[in-house]
Amino acid sequence: EPEVTQTPSHQVTQMGQEVILRCVPISNHLYFYWYRQILGQKVEFLVSFYNNEISEKSEIFDDQFSVERPDGSNFTLKIRSTKLEDSAMYFCASSPDRFLYEQYFGPGTRLTVT
Amino acid sequence: AQTVTQSQPEMSVQEAETVTLSCTYDTSESDYYLFWYKQPPSRQMILVIRQEAYKQQNATENRFSVNFQKAAKSFSLKISDSQLGDAAMYFCAYRRDSNYQLIWGAGTKLIIKP
Repeated sequence: EPEVTQTPSHQVTQMGQEVILRCVPISNHLYFYWYRQILGQKVEFLVSFYNNEISEKSEIFDDQFSVERPDGSNFTLKIRSTKLEDSAMYFCASSPDRFLYEQYFGPGTRLTVT
Repeated sequence: AQTVTQSQPEMSVQEAETVTLSCTYDTSESDYYLFWYKQPPSRQMILVIRQEAYKQQNATENRFSVNFQKAAKSFSLKISDSQLGDAAMYFCAYRRDSNYQLIWGAGTKLIIKP
C-alpha cells in the first residue's frame, strides 16, 4: 500500500541553523500539508500546498518557514533560522482531493533544536 | 474559531471489552468533516474513521464506530472487542468543508489491559 515517507526520522540542529525536512507524498496525490506537534501539545496545522503554491497557512507559518516541491516527488519544509521553540515532531501529509478524502500522514520527523 | 475538545487525557479498558472516547467540537459551520486518528508509539498518524457532517448515519469501520450528534456537536468513538494493538493515542480532528487544515483535539491515551 502506498504511503507517505519522511526523512530524516530525527534531526538535531543548533539554534540559528537552517534545516530542511523532506517528505515524499503518495504519488497520485495533489494536496500536501505540514503539521507540527510540540511534545505534550496539540497537533497544529502549518501549511497546505497545491499546484505549486501555498493554498493556506496558519499564523505559525511565518517568514522563517517555506515549502517547496523541487521535483515531481519531494515536498520540503525549510526553517531558515531555527529557534528552541521549533523543537517538535513535524508531520507531512497528502491527499488526492481536498474535499472528500482524508489526509494520509507520514511517520514524522522529530526536530530537536539545541 | 473552531475548537476540538477531548476531555479524557487517558482511558483504560480490559482486553475484549468496549470503550468509548469522547470528543466535542465548536463550530458555526454546517458542512464539515470529523476524523479519528490513531497514533501508536511509532508516532505515525493512522486514520481510524471519518464522518461527513451532512450524513446522519454514523460511520463504522469493523470494530470502530462513532456516535455523531450534530446538534450537540459531539463525536465519540466506540471501540468494540478491544485488542492489545489498539493501545495508542487517539486524536479527534475537524475540518471545514471550505478549507484544508485539520484542527485537532489534545488526544486521549488508550491503555489496553491484558
